[in-house]
Amino acid sequence: EAQVTQNPRYLITVTGKKLTVTCSQNMNHEYMSWYRQDPGLGLRQIYYSMNVEVTDKGDVPEGYKVSRKEKRNFPLILESPSPNQTSLYFCASSFGLWEGRNNEQFFGPGTRLTVL
Amino acid sequence: QQQVKQSPQSLIVQKGGIPIINCAYENTAFDYFPWYQQFPGKGPALLIAIRPDVSEKKEGRFTISFNKSAKQFSLHIMDSQPGDSATYFCAAGLNDYKLSFGAGTTVTVRA
Repeated sequence: EAQVTQNPRYLITVTGKKLTVTCSQNMNHEYMSWYRQDPGLGLRQIYYSMNVEVTDKGDVPEGYKVSRKEKRNFPLILESPSPNQTSLYFCASSFGLWEGRNNEQFFGPGTRLTVL
Repeated sequence: QQQVKQSPQSLIVQKGGIPIINCAYENTAFDYFPWYQQFPGKGPALLIAIRPDVSEKKEGRFTISFNKSAKQFSLHIMDSQPGDSATYFCAAGLNDYKLSFGAGTTVTVRA
């Protein structure tokens, strides 16, 4: 089954304790992205990756890191989480919007993070 | 700062009604305008998308209207059904990779 998986689905942590949220896709997509969803703000892009070893900042990258060492994986790293990073996080992947392709992004199920 | 402004925040319609959601943007470099549908506890899913060289696109009961000069686009849900009750997000894409979303509209369709 074609899908984007995220782990963990729920996480409660404390300020300053480094954490990683994993994202994996099995559709051979070149493009992957991380979003956070907050009430009244919709989804905001954190980082995206056009392919292996190619990443760039989205609209809200502060406090986050990413890496893309393999095509299928795109982990989100919070080196020193703070309470304002409490949010619902989504990973997404797609083939990208090249000519003739549909840039449909497939979203994972979400990770609800609480930073105390 | 929200690059895509979406309204209304919520709306309620009767079954068969036509909810209309509006979005506006400022950056004329945006070249891709998708709409996503999200059910509670799920990730968003692509509903329909349009490029700026097209003024209207229909897929089933969903229609996007696009006004390039006004920098506005909207989603119409024809003959709405209770199963359409969800949160809808408009978005605008830049250079195929950066995607800016609106704040979302919660649509409730009453039977």
